[in-house]
Amino acid sequence: SQKIEQNSEALNIQEGKTATLTCNYTNYSPAYLQWYRQDPGRGPVFLLLIRENEKEKRKERLKVTFDTTLKQSLFHITASQPADSATYLCALLSYNTDKLIFGTGTRLQVFP
Amino acid sequence: DTAVSQTPKYLVTQMGNDKSIKCEQNLGHDTMYWYKQDSKKFLKIMFSYNNKELIINETVPNRFSPKSPDKAHLNLHINSLELGDSAVYFCASSQENPANYGYTFGSGTRLTVV
Repeated sequence: SQKIEQNSEALNIQEGKTATLTCNYTNYSPAYLQWYRQDPGRGPVFLLLIRENEKEKRKERLKVTFDTTLKQSLFHITASQPADSATYLCALLSYNTDKLIFGTGTRLQVFP
Repeated sequence: DTAVSQTPKYLVTQMGNDKSIKCEQNLGHDTMYWYKQDSKKFLKIMFSYNNKELIINETVPNRFSPKSPDKAHLNLHINSLELGDSAVYFCASSQENPANYGYTFGSGTRLTVV
């Protein structure tokens, strides 16, 4: 069956460290993968996109990698700050569907 | 100046009632969506419209009926509400090729059926 899995447990890290979140998928052929941030009571906000033929993308303190062999994307936040605390969702769009399918999200807590 | 706005933000209603949620986007996007987020925070697509035409219709009870009067609006009507319909419903929009910009979501409508 098709699955997009993210760590269901919250990730707690200290301010200034690098946070790394994982997104694994099975039985999809993604054309691209996106990462979103969701704060409590708000809708998801688009952060970054990476295409299947790209290995890495960066935007300010954010970095995304995409390994289609491992069927995995990693999302890194360097020099993390308490304001980075939120739930982060990965989402992918397959070649054989028009639907953007979301993972279950990982809650990140950055403490001072 | 909100890009994707949904109303109402909260909706509490009794089982068996019929209710509607409205969504409007001022981004000029061609495609609009409805997603449902359950208590475990899992976001699942329900419908997608492109230029007023239905293009995605997931396995959703036919008590749920989307309506798009124009490409800037996508409303969701729910008949005979059930307890299991309680969730947060998100409207979203995207350009025809969302590859570069992702989806823009509204802030959600929390529906509670009692």
